[in-house]
Amino acid sequence: SYEVTQPPSLSVSPGQTASITCSGTKLSEKFVCWYQQMPGQSPILVIYQDDKRPSGIPERFSASNSGNTATLTISGTQAVDEADYYCQAWDRTNRTITAIAIFGGGTKLTVL
Amino acid sequence: QVTLKESGPVLVKPTETLTLTCTVSGFSLTNARMGVSWIRQPPGKALEWLANIFSNDEKSYSTSLKSRLTISKDTSKSQVVLTMTNMDPMDTATYYCARIRTFSSNWFDSWGQGTLVTVSS
Repeated sequence: SYEVTQPPSLSVSPGQTASITCSGTKLSEKFVCWYQQMPGQSPILVIYQDDKRPSGIPERFSASNSGNTATLTISGTQAVDEADYYCQAWDRTNRTITAIAIFGGGTKLTVL
Repeated sequence: QVTLKESGPVLVKPTETLTLTCTVSGFSLTNARMGVSWIRQPPGKALEWLANIFSNDEKSYSTSLKSRLTISKDTSKSQVVLTMTNMDPMDTATYYCARIRTFSSNWFDSWGQGTLVTVSS
């Protein structure tokens, strides 16, 4: 079955750029989404269709997807950005008529 | 305003069947560009997708849990129901329902608050 892999943790200083990666075989052939989850909260969508920001998501959040790696970039990282981030893609195999959702293991972003 | 709210038991015994209900508002389960998923998260662990259902009643399930899951919807009540059989302590998790938006691809644009289900005798 298809898998996507994220680094478990990442630390950045306030004001720096945080780059969170998500790796999977030929991942660029799939659309990737990114979700932010604050402690004790439900996830929220921060990026969809590889690089699109929903309304209300700050411009400092951007993303790309190329080759085997998708990347979520947070420019000018702020303390409020400290959270868990999950990438997610959809997989469709010969055995499944419909697509199934695949989540990465999550990356804990620490801003210190 | 789009909202999703999960409801169901907070405690189930091993081997029992779990039934969870997701009640939605602000959109219709008949909307062709939308669906609903169930996603769970064990304490301190990652998100795990469980199942989808769309307006045309198209369904899909996690490969590893497919034999234990059933998803259905009642459009008149704006509810999506997930049943999971043969519950085990390893199924202890917060269970979320989320709206799927679909346009060229799918994404989860709104999530419920989640409901914590503990499996214990």
